[in-house]
Formats: sequence, structure tokens, C-alpha cells
Amino acid sequence: EVQLVESGGDSVQPGGSLRLSCTAPRFSFSTYSMNWVRQAPGKGLEWLSYISSSSSTIYYADSVKGRFTISRDNGKNSLYLQMNSLRDEDTALYYCARVKPNTPMGTCDYWGQGTRVTVSS
Amino acid sequence: DIQMTQSPSSLSASVGDRVTITCRASQTINSYYLNWYQQKPGKAPNLLIYAASSLQSGVPSRFIGSGSGTDFTLTVTSLQPEDFATYYCQQSYSTPLSFGGGTKVELK
Repeated sequence: EVQLVESGGDSVQPGGSLRLSCTAPRFSFSTYSMNWVRQAPGKGLEWLSYISSSSSTIYYADSVKGRFTISRDNGKNSLYLQMNSLRDEDTALYYCARVKPNTPMGTCDYWGQGTRVTVSS
Repeated sequence: DIQMTQSPSSLSASVGDRVTITCRASQTINSYYLNWYQQKPGKAPNLLIYAASSLQSGVPSRFIGSGSGTDFTLTVTSLQPEDFATYYCQQSYSTPLSFGGGTKVELK
């Protein structure tokens, strides 16, 4: 079964940094595009970033552009989100999600369980 | 940026009811780029419908997606106990990708 496992969430002060990871131990990770999506406590879903299978195409939401960096290491079956200059409003549960093959970039057929980031002084 | 507006934001229904959720895009989008997700408390979202009307594998046929242009609909033909959840529409026609605000379906 397809599994995505996020890690790296933590409590951090405003202005701090975190690196989230998403590992995919049981499918051909290198052939799939991926997204990061977050959900603030009690709120809806917010798309953050997309990366194609070869890392040749990357997109960001305006809310994180210039502060967050998406990357992947296909040899390690891993997706990353480097988060810098964190703000209170970045507090959320962060999900990685796989793009369904042969569909547009936002069609996510498998999601991880999420990793929690809390930004607070 | 494309804004996605769902209505209602919440609704109360009974098992067996027919439920309809609407999603309006702020500009015309190709229906190929419209998805619906279900999210239960404490769980990750689950893809229900993609390309406006295509049923994701394993999703019961009581979930029906339709629509085009700016107006899209998710219908649950006969609500089951496991369907009480929050539903989100999403567009991937253009970046930034965007979700609707969600519709919470609660037990009456």
C-alpha cells in the first residue's frame, strides 16, 4: 500500500527555521510529482508548493514564496520543505501529497498523516 | 488568483438524505482541473472526485460530481454514517492552487 510519512515538525520561535521531510517507502517515488499542503488549527486546506518528478518544475504559494523551499531526493525516496523566517501564521499541520498519475498537478491521491509545526514565542 | 467559494459552509442531514454541495470559481476553469476531497476529523484529506466528475478508485458510487465553467457540484445520493465529514473543492487550473473553504456535513 502507498504510504507517505512526514516528519520534522516541532515548536519553534518566530524567525526560526525547520526542515520537514516526507518519505515514501513503498512506491516508485521518483516517477511522481508531489505537493505540500497545510492546515491551520480549525481551518481549511492551503496549498503551499509543488515539485515535479525530476524537480524541473516548482511552484509556490505567495504566502511562502521566498521563505520556503521545496526539494526532493529521488535516491532516498524523500521530499523536503525547508521553512525559514517562520511566522505565527505558519502554525499548522503540514501534509505531503502525491499527484495522481496523468492528472493535473493538484490532484492528490495519497496523503501523509501530517506533521505539526507550531510557531510561538 | 482563482478563489473557490463553497456553499453552504455547513449543513445538517440525516442518514439516507440526498446532499448537494456547490463550489463556485471566481473565473472559468476547465472541469479537468476541479477536484473534491473528503476530510474526517484527525485524518488527512481523501480524494473523492477528480476532473469534476471522475470517481476516484474505491470511492462509493453515491458520490457524484458535476459542473462546468465556474459552477460545480458534489452530490451524495444517499448519505451514510461514514459520510459525515468536511468536503473541499479544489482547482488546479492555475497557480496558486486553491481550495474552497469547506463544507461540514453534520448529523441532524
